[in-house]
Amino acid sequence: GAGVSQSPSNKVTEKGKDVELRCDPISGHTALYWYRQSLGQGLEFLIYFQGNSAPDKSGLPSDRFSAERTGGSVSTLTIQRTQQEDSAVYLCASSLVGSGTGANVLTFGAGSRLTVL
Amino acid sequence: GESVGLHLPTLSVQEGDNSIINCAYSNSASDYFIWYKQESGKGPQFIIDIRSNMDKRQGQRVTVLLNKTVKHLSLQIAATQPGDSAVYFCAETGLNTGFQKLVFGTGTRLLVSP
Repeated sequence: GAGVSQSPSNKVTEKGKDVELRCDPISGHTALYWYRQSLGQGLEFLIYFQGNSAPDKSGLPSDRFSAERTGGSVSTLTIQRTQQEDSAVYLCASSLVGSGTGANVLTFGAGSRLTVL
Repeated sequence: GESVGLHLPTLSVQEGDNSIINCAYSNSASDYFIWYKQESGKGPQFIIDIRSNMDKRQGQRVTVLLNKTVKHLSLQIAATQPGDSAVYFCAETGLNTGFQKLVFGTGTRLLVSP
């Protein structure tokens, strides 16, 4: 696609429910990232996928958070038993790794805003 | 997606002024730096980048300055326009993470008055 697409754009849920957030990266981008942006905070790294390599899960805040990437394309971030502190904007980004520059320009989606009541 | 909240450092300028947004980074091993712009309701957008072997890089109306000695990065915007109003983030990465993980600063809100 032309850009990174995320859905839903807004999600309101009750404490204790599970939620799934979806990301469609730019076609051909092999790297996919999830970041979290809480009110008054910067972007917090959650997880990174690169091709068929094992994902870097070092940023996931608890075992209630998980993510998968199917077929090297679409990714789903799942939050189980949501808590109020999970309320944030969840941003997905993708990049074309191996561009030859050594750089890593991420293209972000507009985010999924999660509100846990 | 909503931009960050109410307690960000804020820089208020008049249209036509030059703006300077500053960022202090923490990791001396970082060797690649990026500025992102985030408008309300959108994800961050790439503005300009700089490698550690440079101390200045210019783009269209924007200049990034890097001072590795004091681990300081700045973004200069010339002739600031109302459309420049946004939250600006610096980000750093390095060879130690294969350039794969960006660490973002907390952001600065730029408000441009007509």
